[in-house]
Order: sequence, then C-alpha cells, then structure tokens
Amino acid sequence: AQSVTQLGSHVSVSEGALVLLRCNYSSSVPPYLFWYVQYPNQGLQLLLKYTSAATLVKGINGFEAEFKKSETSFHLTKPSAHMSDAAEYFCAAGNTAGFKTIFGAGTRLFVKA
Amino acid sequence: GAGVSQSPRYKVAKRGQDVALRCDPISGHVSLFWYQQALGQGPEFLTYFQNEAQLDKSGLPSDRFFAERPEGSVSTLKIQRTQQEDSAVYLCASSFPLAGGPYNEQFFGPGTRLTVL
Repeated sequence: AQSVTQLGSHVSVSEGALVLLRCNYSSSVPPYLFWYVQYPNQGLQLLLKYTSAATLVKGINGFEAEFKKSETSFHLTKPSAHMSDAAEYFCAAGNTAGFKTIFGAGTRLFVKA
Repeated sequence: GAGVSQSPRYKVAKRGQDVALRCDPISGHVSLFWYQQALGQGPEFLTYFQNEAQLDKSGLPSDRFFAERPEGSVSTLKIQRTQQEDSAVYLCASSFPLAGGPYNEQFFGPGTRLTVL
C-alpha cells in the first residue's frame, strides 16, 4: 500500500536560514508527488508537483524539491527562509493504480526573526 | 474566478444527529475529492468523483458516510447518526485531470469544521 512519511512534525529555522522538510514515500508503481502548504485559516495550496518529467522540481515562493528514487524521498528545500513561510506543509503522493492521494501528517514550519 | 467553496464553515452537532456538508467546486472541474482532516493530521482520502460518477469510495469510514454529486458539479457529504469520532475538518478539492487521471493540482476549499458533542 502507498504511504507518505514526513519526518519531524515541527521544524524551526531562523530567518534567512535553509529550510529542509523531509518526505519519504512508498509506492509499488511510479508515484506522482506533491507538496502543499496550508496557511492559518486557509485552504491547502499547491507548492510544486513531480510527474516524472524532471527530478528537480521548482515551485512557487522559491521552494524546490528533488525526487530521489533510490532513497524514495522527495524533500522540500528553500535556500533562505522568510517569516511569511511559517505554515504547515504536507507531502502527498498519488499513482496510476488508483484515484487516492495519500497525505503525510504534515510538518509545521516556524521561522524565527 | 471563484475558488472552491464549502458550507457551512462550522457545524456543531449533537451525537446522533445527521449532517450535510456542501462543496461547490471550481466551474468545469471534472474531479472532486472529499478528505477528512483530524486535528494535527494530514488530510485523509474519503471519496473521489469524476463528474457524477463516484469512482472510489474506499476511504469512507463507515456506512454512515455517504457522498453524492448528482449533476457533476455540487457535491454533498452526508454523515448519519454522528459520533464524537466524526469531529474533524472536512475538506473538498477539485481538479481538472490530465489524461483522465486525478494527477493534476487539486484546489482545496477552506473546509467545514464539524464538532460532535
């Protein structure tokens, strides 16, 4: 069965520091992978998605993620954190075997001034 | 254009009551998803519609949960005889699928927070 694991329910970084949010997936078929962000009192919105066209995916707001099949990982990074990046981030996976999208439990990002 | 809307935004029900949650997807979006998000957790898939057809309902937790999308646009999630464990945020999302599959970006509504007393 497909699953998504996000390591670390909370991550705290200083403004200007590197952001690294970890995501590992398991899938018996090639996956489609997504990162969504949820700001307080708002709906989830897509940051970026991987659909096999390129292993390094660039998204909005300076975020990017790299698909590493050998590590079954899709970690999210941003070189320099901004206060406005404070939010909850969800990694998600789908595949061609069905219609479900499986979400990880989420990582809350705190950005310190 | 307008995004996905859900109503009501908040619902308090007494245990045993029936509730109906509404989702208005983005116009023209073929795919519609319902998710349940418990406190501190990620969204958990409930069901998927392609137009009016419910193609996957494997995530519905019990036969008290029922979803419909009769005309392929607005959808309603109904929960009968609500229990305390049904308390959660219920999210609706819509998308326009690529190549017939639900792999494209999903646009989420703000959710309905259900509290069962």
